[in-house]
Amino acid sequence: AQSVTQPDIHITVSEGASLELRCNYSYGATPYLFWYVQSPGQGLQLLLKYFSGDTLVQGIKGFEAEFKRSQSSFNLRKPSVHWSDAAEYFCAVGRDRAGTALIFGKGTTLSVSS
Amino acid sequence: EPEVTQTPSHQVTQMGQEVILRCVPISNHLYFYWYRQILGQKVEFLVSFYNNEISEKSEIFDDQFSVERPDGSNFTLKIRSTKLEDSAMYFCASRDRSSGGNEQFFGPGTRLTVL
Repeated sequence: AQSVTQPDIHITVSEGASLELRCNYSYGATPYLFWYVQSPGQGLQLLLKYFSGDTLVQGIKGFEAEFKRSQSSFNLRKPSVHWSDAAEYFCAVGRDRAGTALIFGKGTTLSVSS
Repeated sequence: EPEVTQTPSHQVTQMGQEVILRCVPISNHLYFYWYRQILGQKVEFLVSFYNNEISEKSEIFDDQFSVERPDGSNFTLKIRSTKLEDSAMYFCASRDRSSGGNEQFFGPGTRLTVL
């Protein structure tokens, strides 16, 4: 069965420092991978997605993620964090291109210190 | 920019009561979803809906749950007899058939509290 693991429940990063949020997935075939962000009182906003091709994908707000099949990972990165990046981040995997369910990780809460 | 909306933002109900959570998906979208997130836990899939019928559901989505698209704009989730463990944030999502690779757009959620 598919599963997603986000090992870090809570991370604190200084403003201007780099960020990496970890995501590991379990799925037999090539997965469809997503990162969503949720700010307080807001819905889940898509940051970026991976389907195929280049394993380094660029998203909104300066985020990028790298798909590493050998490590079953899809880690999210940002070179310089801004205070407005404080939010909860969810990694998700989908089975295919069709309208099937997304499987989410438990999320990582990012705090940004000044 | 079009967005998914959900009402109410917070619903408080007594155990055993029926609740209806409402969603207005993005207007040209064809696939609709409900997810829930119990406090401190994962976002979990409940059900997907396409062409006026359920296309997939999880084991959570038992006979107490139902979904409906009563008109051309709304998508509802009904819980017939709420339990304490139904307390959660419920997210609606929608997707356009043409959007690449299952990109789902989420609403802000309805927080359901069952007392």
